[in-house]
Amino acid sequence: QSVLTQPPSVSGAPGQRVTISCTGSSSNIGAGYDVHWYQQLPGTAPKLLIYGNSNRPSGVPDRFSGSKSGTSASLAITGLQAEDEADYYCQSYDSSLSAVVVFGGGTKLTVL
Amino acid sequence: QVQLVQSGAEVKKPGASVKVSCKASGYTFTSYGISWVRQAPGQGLEWMGWISAYNGNTNYAQKLQGRVTMTTDTSTSTAYMELRSLRSDDTAVYYCARVSAPILTGYIWFDPWGQGTLVTVSS
Repeated sequence: QSVLTQPPSVSGAPGQRVTISCTGSSSNIGAGYDVHWYQQLPGTAPKLLIYGNSNRPSGVPDRFSGSKSGTSASLAITGLQAEDEADYYCQSYDSSLSAVVVFGGGTKLTVL
Repeated sequence: QVQLVQSGAEVKKPGASVKVSCKASGYTFTSYGISWVRQAPGQGLEWMGWISAYNGNTNYAQKLQGRVTMTTDTSTSTAYMELRSLRSDDTAVYYCARVSAPILTGYIWFDPWGQGTLVTVSS
């Protein structure tokens, strides 16, 4: 069981908008710690997609956006493209655990 | 460009040890930390721990305490992760990743990641 909860899968047609949620608790997201998002294409290493809740690294399209509120965060992808099909992971920090860096269980995005 | 290049795949027997290397280039090694994350086949990401390349401070995930050691060699900008007393459930791809700060805080992220090293534990 992951400390951060993500839906196992989401799907959408090309051009549509999808969102992926990441739900934590008062010892991680709710404590004010940042949430970061990673994209993992099949057979490759994870890649930073969003840092500091809503910031995009250079080179990441503005179709990807992040937000955070209370004990949850969300990743939104607009104008879905076939190449967005991947696994997405959220990551934060937890002050109550020994494994202080925590990941969500991951969400598989399928582009229909 | 900033890059992390890891050592090659390993096959180990239960009870053995493995040491994976991660060579950094394209940035000042001692200005950041290195974290290790593993991914079992078909599973999600599991944080293993981190080391500051600035001062050598470490923080390990509790479930791995006593079995894992992370070190750095600043002369070669290389980080190492050694895992001992290997079990079959240690079979995974092991990633190193640059941590966004030289100290462990609640606001760190990982970028970039190494290409991964597959460690297979099998008798």
